[in-house]
Amino acid sequence: NAGVMQNPRHLVRRRGQEARLRCSPMKGHSHVYWYRQLPEEGLKFMVYLQKENIIDESGMPKERFSAEFPKEGPSILRIQQVVRGDSAAYFCASSPSKGRAKTQYFGPGTRLLVL
Amino acid sequence: DQQVKQNSPSLSVQEGRISILNCDYTNSMFDYFLWYKKYPAEGPTFLISISSIKDKNEDGRFTVFLNKSAKHLSLHIVPSQPGDSAVYFCAASANTDKLIFGTGTRLQVFP
Repeated sequence: NAGVMQNPRHLVRRRGQEARLRCSPMKGHSHVYWYRQLPEEGLKFMVYLQKENIIDESGMPKERFSAEFPKEGPSILRIQQVVRGDSAAYFCASSPSKGRAKTQYFGPGTRLLVL
Repeated sequence: DQQVKQNSPSLSVQEGRISILNCDYTNSMFDYFLWYKKYPAEGPTFLISISSIKDKNEDGRFTVFLNKSAKHLSLHIVPSQPGDSAVYFCAASANTDKLIFGTGTRLQVFP
């Protein structure tokens, strides 16, 4: 009974490189959310996706960040041309398909360090 | 604009006693509230939730109280155990699916 899976758990990139973070939701969940946690802060919503659709991207930075959740495979959060300020923990969460299900279950996170 | 506030960054409680963690919010449209526990280097773990139509929800040692008029909720843990030592986040949503998190309270339960 696997929970939300994220990989890699740790990612080191140099400034200007691309970072790809992957998230596989819990079995039976088709709603995926991405959050970012900066040091000493709470989690901040970035984007909400369902299969092949972006539902709410109000928390995504306007440039360099994109997200997808294809019909097959994991959800991907992509950060292009990373800068030091992108260093943070990125958490993915999922929730069940039906009902007004607000309980989101989180993965272990990907810790991105930009050198 | 911090819509969900946890004004106590830390709390220290003796084992066996009650831990009370507080959370205030400003958005009257919030209708669902959750508490998560987080250990270092792990993701948040769901603890308990409450809908705005209720004022109390209980699950084992955990009870969440909601005071809508004061825009305040609290999490009670009794009895507190050393394994409860973690950072606790409250979160809220307003008829949308995104959660707004507080900044967290670090709970330390000592023997």
